[in-house]
Amino acid sequence: DAGITQSPRHKVTETGTPVTLRCHQTENHRYMYWYRQDPGHGLRLIHYSYGVKDTDKGEVSDGYSVSRSKTEDFLLTLESATSSQTSVYFCAIDDGASYEQYFGPGTRLTVT
Amino acid sequence: ILNVEQSPQSLHVQEGDSTNFTCSFPSSNFYALHWYRWETAKSPEALFVMTLNGDEKKKGRISATLNTKEGYSYLYIKGSQPEDSATYLCAFNNAGNMLTFGGGTRLMVKP
Repeated sequence: DAGITQSPRHKVTETGTPVTLRCHQTENHRYMYWYRQDPGHGLRLIHYSYGVKDTDKGEVSDGYSVSRSKTEDFLLTLESATSSQTSVYFCAIDDGASYEQYFGPGTRLTVT
Repeated sequence: ILNVEQSPQSLHVQEGDSTNFTCSFPSSNFYALHWYRWETAKSPEALFVMTLNGDEKKKGRISATLNTKEGYSYLYIKGSQPEDSATYLCAFNNAGNMLTFGGGTRLMVKP
């Protein structure tokens, strides 16, 4: 298994509260990604990072921000959670050579 | 936003049946096509990466073909087993590191 962990694995939060999800890798890979799982859409890219402090938006970035202050950690923040952000969030990494992405175990977020 | 479509959305087969599903993607600016296997409550697991028109890849009873000129890939499972039950995702890469995923085909194999 690729060395990717996500925390927390499950979270329930209330509408309007801030939430931060963490992705941690031990592979020293340059690229990291945050996806959300949506029925009928498979996985949709929220934000990605191509290096420390280098990030860019994906397809569904509204309402989300990210930060990457060191190679191994990529944080996803929901500044003010909404019920539409209830989903399973997956982090992924790749080495930039094969473009094959390896996924973390996922974080199930419920916004009530 | 790139259009990556998978069909069918779901499929029920009997153990021992062979089956196949389709991924269609834009035929321009093609770089790679990925297939992932995704079991419920787990994370997606890479099956194949294909880059050349006419590529065929095989892993056990699962194989995949690629047609970049017409923009489709087929995934085949020979002699389906209950443990093959999962969602199969394809993802299109048009250069760079961003993947655009299809909606997936959910396969259920009945014993």
